[in-house]
Amino acid sequence: AQSVTQPDIHITVSEGASLELRCNYSYGATPYLFWYVQSPGQGLQLLLKYFSGDTLVQGIKGFEAEFKRSQSSFNLRKPSVHWSDAAEYFCALNAGNMLTFGGGTRLMVKP
Amino acid sequence: GAVVSQHPSWVICKSGTSVKIECRSLDFQATTMFWYRQFPKQSLMLMATSNEGSKATYEQGVEKDKFLINHASLTLSTLTVTSAHPEDSSFYICSAYRDSNYEQYFGPGTRLTVT
Repeated sequence: AQSVTQPDIHITVSEGASLELRCNYSYGATPYLFWYVQSPGQGLQLLLKYFSGDTLVQGIKGFEAEFKRSQSSFNLRKPSVHWSDAAEYFCALNAGNMLTFGGGTRLMVKP
Repeated sequence: GAVVSQHPSWVICKSGTSVKIECRSLDFQATTMFWYRQFPKQSLMLMATSNEGSKATYEQGVEKDKFLINHASLTLSTLTVTSAHPEDSSFYICSAYRDSNYEQYFGPGTRLTVT
């Protein structure tokens, strides 16, 4: 069975600092991987996705993620965090047509 | 990106009553929609997979008689919480799956409070 792990429940960074959110997965085939962001009381917005090809994928809002098969990881990065990036971030894996979500990482941004 | 709507965005109901939540795919046809439940500060928990024209597939531990799902058209799925109790209070999110790009598009969620 597939699984997604986000090791960091909470992360706090200063505005303008760089950010990396970790995501590890377990899946027996080539994964389709996603990162979503959720603001309080809202649905999920897709930041980026990886299906195949270039292992470094660019997303919206200045985010990028790198797929590393050898490490079973799909970490999300942003070079300079803005206060509006404070939210909950979910990594997800698509198996068939169903998504398996990680537990989420809550990002807090210090002024 | 594609748009999925949910209605209502929030609802308060009394214990013992039923509540219906609608999920609409506004600009594509979705043979498959999903219903999730999210508790505060937790991840999304898949409740059921809704397939157009057939019965929903429920995840283990989800009561199918309590959470009725109907997917009568390619753009509409409904979740009815029957005989609601306070423990059913939660944030319910739907998504619509688009086969052409393997993506799920999420609705904005419905906050249900049972008093």
